[in-house]
Amino acid sequence: GAVVSQHPSWVICKSGTSVKIECRSLDFQATTMFWYRQFPKQSLMLMATSNEGSKATYEQGVEKDKFLINHASLTLSTLTVTSAHPEDSSFYICSANRNTGELFFGEGSRLTVL
Amino acid sequence: QKEVEQDPGPLSVPEGAIVSLNCTYSNSAFQYFMWYRQYSRKGPELLMYTYSSGNKEDGRFTAQVDKSSKYISLFIRDSQPSDSATYLCASTLGGSNRLAFGKGNQVVVIP
Repeated sequence: GAVVSQHPSWVICKSGTSVKIECRSLDFQATTMFWYRQFPKQSLMLMATSNEGSKATYEQGVEKDKFLINHASLTLSTLTVTSAHPEDSSFYICSANRNTGELFFGEGSRLTVL
Repeated sequence: QKEVEQDPGPLSVPEGAIVSLNCTYSNSAFQYFMWYRQYSRKGPELLMYTYSSGNKEDGRFTAQVDKSSKYISLFIRDSQPSDSATYLCASTLGGSNRLAFGKGNQVVVIP
């Protein structure tokens, strides 16, 4: 079964609104989680590294005020897309490291901004 | 140079054939190597996870790592239509270090 759960799997919102996506590690604690964005037929693009109890580390070109990340507990990280616009429409995927080193992905969240 | 190179060209094979996928990586410090399978509109699913050089077999899947040539491979024996997906290779230093991904190979197994 899934070891990393992501919610919601689908979300449609109006332009200008904010959307929160949750990522949970189900049977292990994750001090680090990663957030990716994926466009159709493209590979995963790392957006940021979410660190429990501290600020996220963003990749170059990713607006931290646009994509707010909160890693409030060892099993939960959230990504909030603020003031969403149609160009933010994408597939957002999170992942978490088990202490054995394996990296597991969530099922992904498809965001459509109208 | 990208850290992990994977020829993204689509691959079509008849059912029952062997699928062979390859990646190269540039960072000799990479210790962990993974293959993920991604179905359309789904998150990637960890398929194989290997550490250091050698072969690892799991059912119809074999992952191979050659650290001397920085080459990683995935073989799928007796391919099935349900194996049709995009396969991503990835490497990492380990721990909480981020993964470097290849572009992914779309595989289609024709019944």
